[in-house]
Amino acid sequence: DAKTTQPPSMDCAEGRAANLPCNHSTISGNEYVYWYRQIHSQGPQYIIHGLKNNETNEMASLIITEDRKSSTLILPHATLRDTAVYYCIALSNSGYALNFGKGTSLLVTP
Amino acid sequence: NAGVTQTPKFRILKIGQSMTLQCTQDMNHNYMYWYRQDPGMGLKLIYYSVGAGITDKGEVPNGYNVSRSTTEDFPLRLELAAPSQTSVYFCASSYTDNEKLFFGSGTQLSVL
Repeated sequence: DAKTTQPPSMDCAEGRAANLPCNHSTISGNEYVYWYRQIHSQGPQYIIHGLKNNETNEMASLIITEDRKSSTLILPHATLRDTAVYYCIALSNSGYALNFGKGTSLLVTP
Repeated sequence: NAGVTQTPKFRILKIGQSMTLQCTQDMNHNYMYWYRQDPGMGLKLIYYSVGAGITDKGEVPNGYNVSRSTTEDFPLRLELAAPSQTSVYFCASSYTDNEKLFFGSGTQLSVL
């Protein structure tokens, strides 16, 4: 599975959009981009995933560049409860997430 | 559905002791996984299973054993606990591969 690179930390003001980037320049054609988040010490929670098209669900939007080498997770109106570590991983059809990496620690401030 | 249930939530072991971390899921998922998370780090895959009777190693399997006798249960065994195994352990499941993972709430283990 392709390696992903994320900034270690980001801040966002409450009510504003949080845009979390992820670089996956070596991603192959059959690898999906998955996003999870981990609030404090809880188990990670699935957010969204996509292959090439942009995706949206009740939690977030995922924008994948046309060349698929990077993506952005968007939390449209961040709340204090969105403070968490966000993980971006690339996973093929028959792949398993071997390592979640360190992710991006997002701090939403009042 | 209870989802993925892990027990115990906390445990302190002495060096050389053994224990089993329990994991059960009620979603009829075929795939199950064990991860460990060291302080300030991401999760690393220890073992996984694609169905009853089938298990395979992940990135960091040394010092651990697993079994999968039923679809619901996937226990993780530590035979000779070492301080390096101090970590938080998460169990997860998914219906197939490349499907979203559902995680348990974790077991915090300290080996002293």
